Amino acid sequence: SQTIHQWPATLVQPVGSPLSLECTVEGTSNPNLYWYRQAAGRGLQLLFYSVGIGQISSEVPQNLSASRPQDRQFILSSKKLLLSDSGFYLCAWSEIGQAGYYEQYFGPGTRLTVT
Amino acid sequence: AQTVTQSQPEMSVQEAETVTLSCTYDTSESDYYLFWYKQPPSRQMILVIRQEAYKQQNATENRFSVNFQKAAKSFSLKISDSQLGDAAMYFCAYSWYGGATNKLIFGTGTLLAVQP
Repeated sequence: SQTIHQWPATLVQPVGSPLSLECTVEGTSNPNLYWYRQAAGRGLQLLFYSVGIGQISSEVPQNLSASRPQDRQFILSSKKLLLSDSGFYLCAWSEIGQAGYYEQYFGPGTRLTVT
Repeated sequence: AQTVTQSQPEMSVQEAETVTLSCTYDTSESDYYLFWYKQPPSRQMILVIRQEAYKQQNATENRFSVNFQKAAKSFSLKISDSQLGDAAMYFCAYSWYGGATNKLIFGTGTLLAVQP
């Protein structure tokens, strides 16, 4: 069966420091991968998605970047964190294939607090 | 642009009773999917139910069912025989195929409290 991992679970970082959040998927090959952010009291916002190694699409302009160095690894980064980067970050994956719907499965999330 | 609106920030229901959560959406697409996700205090997003827009029949999953009104762009969730474990934030979400992958847009959520 497929599983999705995220780490760290919780992170407290000062403003201006770098960031690296990691997401890995097991039990599937060549998945679509997604990064979402959930601000306090809000719904989820899609930040990035990837349909293959090295292929990253950004949905909103921001202080963050994403990379996919391996098939089942998705990394969210920042060179200098802002206070507004605080939030709950969720990684998700889905099958890849022909046009049509493939369900997204979410990881346990990372709570980031920028101080 | 596609939008999802949940107009009920908070709802409360007595255990064993029925509650309905509302959701409306806006889209110009003809082929899309709608979902209800549950986010308990652990914050893990759990899929509750899905509805394909081309299907007229409302989806059901055990105690959970939807009322899908395509013309009105309405997608409500009914929880029957509410249980304490149903207490969570519920998000309505819309998905369409954006040319390269499926994208999800979420509403702002409804916090459901279940009273014993």
